Amino acid sequence: IVMTQSPDSLAVSLGERATINCKSSQNILYRSNNENYLAWYQQKPGQPPKLLIYWASTRESGVPDRFSGSGSGTDFTLTINSLQAEDVAVYYCQQYYDTLPSFGQGTKLEI
Amino acid sequence: QITLKESGPTLVKPTQTLTLTCTFSGFSLTTRGVGVGWIRQPPGKALEWLALIYWDDDKRYSPSLKSRLTVTEGTSKNQVVLTMTNMDPVDTATYYCAHRRKENGIWYPFDFWGQGALVTVSS
Repeated sequence: IVMTQSPDSLAVSLGERATINCKSSQNILYRSNNENYLAWYQQKPGQPPKLLIYWASTRESGVPDRFSGSGSGTDFTLTINSLQAEDVAVYYCQQYYDTLPSFGQGTKLEI
Repeated sequence: QITLKESGPTLVKPTQTLTLTCTFSGFSLTTRGVGVGWIRQPPGKALEWLALIYWDDDKRYSPSLKSRLTVTEGTSKNQVVLTMTNMDPVDTATYYCAHRRKENGIWYPFDFWGQGALVTVSS
């Protein structure tokens, strides 16, 4: 399954909203539990990726509520409200529907 | 508290075999529903999933690298080993290992990651 993110990079002012899109080449909604097997990660320079959101919209414990995920099937969105300076990072989507996981190419978020 | 740490050579020569070890704590690979994955990231580039090993010894590999990869449990019960043969300069990357779990029959994504090990391939 190929994951495609857009845009590749974006610059958003502090306090504004950032929106990152992710499209999968196949439906990743698992009918038996009605969950989308889509995760979002945040990676800051020199650090490993950090899981932010799974099931397309469930925040990992400790993740600020200004981060939200939405979408279903093949089209997904990560929204960051009230952008903070510490949100500068590269964001990746990942599908885990398939036995072979795959990541998007990443979106670089700057102020 | 789940932690993982990658270890291995920082420099390998072209055509050599890379062996990386992931040493973890806070979980056991003998526990039903547990998996450990390997993911790499060339400098300035995107994440690329490589391999997964599960509690039942099921193993999965990236189709594009399958012929070169082997993932096994280490000699210690809290270790997973990744070997990659015929290394090339394009394999220069930070290699991460990460934890994955299954609960109530449902898989979750990689929730805990090691800090990564930078491997440079150069003669």
